[in-house]
Amino acid sequence: DADVTQTPRNRITKTGKRIMLECSQTKGHDRMYWYRQDPGLGLRLIYYSFDVKDINKGEISDGYSVSRQAQAKFSLSLESAIPNQTALYFCATSESTREPQETQYFGPGTRLLVL
Amino acid sequence: AQSVTQLDSQVPVFEEAPVELRCNYSSSVSVYLFWYVQYPNQGLQLLLKYLSGSTLVKGINGFEAEFNKSQTSFHLRKPSVHISDTAEYFCAVTRNTGNQFYFGTGTSLTVIP
Repeated sequence: DADVTQTPRNRITKTGKRIMLECSQTKGHDRMYWYRQDPGLGLRLIYYSFDVKDINKGEISDGYSVSRQAQAKFSLSLESAIPNQTALYFCATSESTREPQETQYFGPGTRLLVL
Repeated sequence: AQSVTQLDSQVPVFEEAPVELRCNYSSSVSVYLFWYVQYPNQGLQLLLKYLSGSTLVKGINGFEAEFNKSQTSFHLRKPSVHISDTAEYFCAVTRNTGNQFYFGTGTSLTVIP
C-alpha cells in the first residue's frame, strides 16, 4: 500500500464550485505539504503544516484553504474554483527533525481541471 | 530568498550515452540540495541529496551529483542512461535554517533507443 495517498486522482469541475482534495499518510510524519505543479513552472508550495495546530501559508496560498484534521490527514480546498487553478496537485510529507534536511515523500498527485 | 534554475527544460539523449542535467541556485546562506525524479503519472521520488561533507553525492539508479559552492551549482550526472530513466527531474533547495523547499522548473529527460 502507498504511504501517501491522494483522493481523487482526477477531477473535473466548473468555475465557482467548491472542491476538496484529500491527502492521507501512513508514514507517521508530522509535516505535510500541498504543492501545485504547472508546466514550465515546476512545483510551488501552497500550504504546509508542521503539526495539527500549525498551518502556514506557502508561496501561492491565495484562493486556497487547508485543514489538518489529524496527524495523518491534510485537506486542500478551493472555495470557488477558477480556471487558472487547473493544475496537478501534490501532497507531501516529511519527518520533523532538528534540522530541515528531511526528505519529502510525495503522493501520486491529483489532476484538477476547472472549466 | 532562494531560487533554483534548471537551464534545460528538455534533454534528449541516446541510450547508453552520458547525461548531465544542470541546476544552479542562488542563496546567501548555507543550503541543502536535492534532486527528485518524477516518472510518468507518478509523484516525485528522491534521487539524492547533499547535506554536508563530500561534494560528490551518489544516489539511486546510478545517478550522482556534485555540489560546487563557488559556482552555486548542483549538476546531476549519469555515465550511461537507460530507457527507464526517461522522466522529469527536479532540483530543489532548502536553507539549513528554513522550513520550505524551493523547486526548479524541471528538466524532461528523454532517452532515445
